[in-house]
Amino acid sequence: EAGVAQSPRYKIIEKRQSVAFWCNPISGHATLYWYQQILGQGPKLLIQFQNNGVVDDSQLPKDRFSAERLKGVDSTLKIQPAKLEDSAVYLCASSSPSGFSTDTQYFGPGTRLTVL
Amino acid sequence: GNSVTQMEGPVTLSEEAFLTINCTYTATGYPSLFWYVQYPGEGLQLLLKATKADDKGSNKGFEATYRKETTSFHLEKGSVQVSDSAVYFCALSASGGSYIPTFGRGTSLIVHP
Repeated sequence: EAGVAQSPRYKIIEKRQSVAFWCNPISGHATLYWYQQILGQGPKLLIQFQNNGVVDDSQLPKDRFSAERLKGVDSTLKIQPAKLEDSAVYLCASSSPSGFSTDTQYFGPGTRLTVL
Repeated sequence: GNSVTQMEGPVTLSEEAFLTINCTYTATGYPSLFWYVQYPGEGLQLLLKATKADDKGSNKGFEATYRKETTSFHLEKGSVQVSDSAVYFCALSASGGSYIPTFGRGTSLIVHP
């Protein structure tokens, strides 16, 4: 079974530029998560999708971050414009169709973003 | 809101030593509790979980018991190996309505031969 795929693995941009990350979850997983992990901290949930719909985006800085999940499969997270404090690893995870709190999350390798 | 507190790292041990990594939580409802592990150069993966009070999760010699009375989920292993060197994250996911997974800040474990 293929795992969660993310691209790119690394990205370096100047502040005020735009950047987009892509995630392909495990086949059949209805729930998809985007996290931001700043160095030395735990992952912080940015947005959670159940199929096409948003379950929670309360911690997403909506003035600059956006995310979409078309057709309930792939997802894209965008930052526009980027700030220095956005430097972090962006993790994508997916979980099985139940959508319950007991679900195990499966994580991708992450995208390391550096904003200069 | 929900929160997870883990002991500060790094935890440095010799091989075959006993390991405890403390984790306490605050949550509304009835959370499920998880330990995830991140080995060097790899992504996070589930180590073990417990979904109700007094459940014990176990995997690869690691154990953790869901203690509702002390709101704790401490990770233990009787004899650590060098290959256990990694960062360990305690996490919860609260049931009842929509839920947001919440992670602790992680505890780095370094095991010396």
